[in-house]
Amino acid sequence: GNSVTQMEGPVTLSEEAFLTINCTYTATGYPSLFWYVQYPGEGLQLLLKATKADDKGSNKGFEATYRKETTSFHLEKGSVQVSDSAVYFCASTGGFKTIFGAGTRLFVKA
Amino acid sequence: SAVISQKPSRDICQRGTSLTIQCQVDSQVTMMFWYRQQPGQSLTLIATANQGSEATYESGFVIDKFPISRPNLTFSTLTVSNMSPEDSSIYLCSVEDRGQGAGYTFGSGTRLTVV
Repeated sequence: GNSVTQMEGPVTLSEEAFLTINCTYTATGYPSLFWYVQYPGEGLQLLLKATKADDKGSNKGFEATYRKETTSFHLEKGSVQVSDSAVYFCASTGGFKTIFGAGTRLFVKA
Repeated sequence: SAVISQKPSRDICQRGTSLTIQCQVDSQVTMMFWYRQQPGQSLTLIATANQGSEATYESGFVIDKFPISRPNLTFSTLTVSNMSPEDSSIYLCSVEDRGQGAGYTFGSGTRLTVV
């Protein structure tokens, strides 16, 4: 069946450090891929998405590229801020089903 | 994208009681989704609710425990019945944004603690 695997957290970085959160997926067909962010005490918000191979999603300085050959959708940001501290979920949608990764908690220290 | 109003935002309930969670969407949507997020874990889909038909439940979830109503295209409720401490979780509703592959909008969640 379909699955999403993302790197375990927590990830702790200093402000302005480079961020990578790995995400790989298994799927039949070609799913759409997403990153969601959950700030403390809130629901999930869509951060970025990509709907086909080689698409790059970007938002608020975050980027992720849909890599079909490696079945990956790694999240990157060149310079993190304290306000980026949150839990990040990678997700794959095929048909009307969305599969979420386990989530990666990011702490950014000032 | 759609805007979802979910309530209550949190509640503390006695075991054996039931809690009904409401989600109101600012536009008409065909399907609404209900998820559970157990402490420190990812989201698990409970059921998909279509207007005018019974909800479709995922493996491990049953209608007697999690009855769902979908009276119209902008509203749905999820009831957590006969609660036990193991039901303590965040419950979220979700709708698909316009256009397949557009992603999903989530309600702000209901943090339930059963004591």
